[in-house]
Amino acid sequence: AQSVTQPDIHITVSEGASLELRCNYSYGATPYLFWYVQSPGQGLQLLLKYFSGDTLVQGIKGFEAEFKRSQSSFNLRKPSVHWSDAAEYFCAVASVGSYIPTFGRGTSLIVHP
Amino acid sequence: DAGVIQSPRHEVTEMGQEVTLRCKPISGHNSLFWYRQTMMRGLELLIYFNNNVPIDDSGMPEDRFSAKMPNASFSTLKIQPSEPRDSAVYFCASSEGGNTEAFFGQGTRLTVV
Repeated sequence: AQSVTQPDIHITVSEGASLELRCNYSYGATPYLFWYVQSPGQGLQLLLKYFSGDTLVQGIKGFEAEFKRSQSSFNLRKPSVHWSDAAEYFCAVASVGSYIPTFGRGTSLIVHP
Repeated sequence: DAGVIQSPRHEVTEMGQEVTLRCKPISGHNSLFWYRQTMMRGLELLIYFNNNVPIDDSGMPEDRFSAKMPNASFSTLKIQPSEPRDSAVYFCASSEGGNTEAFFGQGTRLTVV
């Protein structure tokens, strides 16, 4: 069965600093990978996705993520964080054939001014 | 498109009452998911429909929970009787199926007192 681990429950960064949120997945073949963001009281919004091809994917709001098969990772990065990026971030994996996203527990991003 | 529409946004009910949550997926999407989000368990898949047919309901907690999708534009999740431990945010999501991402509604925050 597929699974996702987000090892950091909370991450605190200063505004303008760089950001990396970690995501590790467990799945036997090449998965479909996603990052979603959830603001308080809101639904989940897709930031970016990886299905195949270039392992570095660009998303909305200046985010990017890199798929590393050897490390079973799909870490999310942003070079300069804005206060409005404070939110909950979820990594998700789906398997070829089932297409049902399985989510990690999420990482809460806190941005200090 | 208006996106995935869920109603109500908030529901407060007494233990033992029947609760019905509603979802209108994005037009043209043939996959629909119901998720439950709690602090303790994160985002859990409850049930997955494809072309209005339930494909995976292994996440439905117990017989008190039932879900239907009578047509491509409407789904319900019913809890009868409700219990305090059912208190959570329930999300509906839809996708075009295959290797595409899921789009989430705003969620229904259910409180059972």
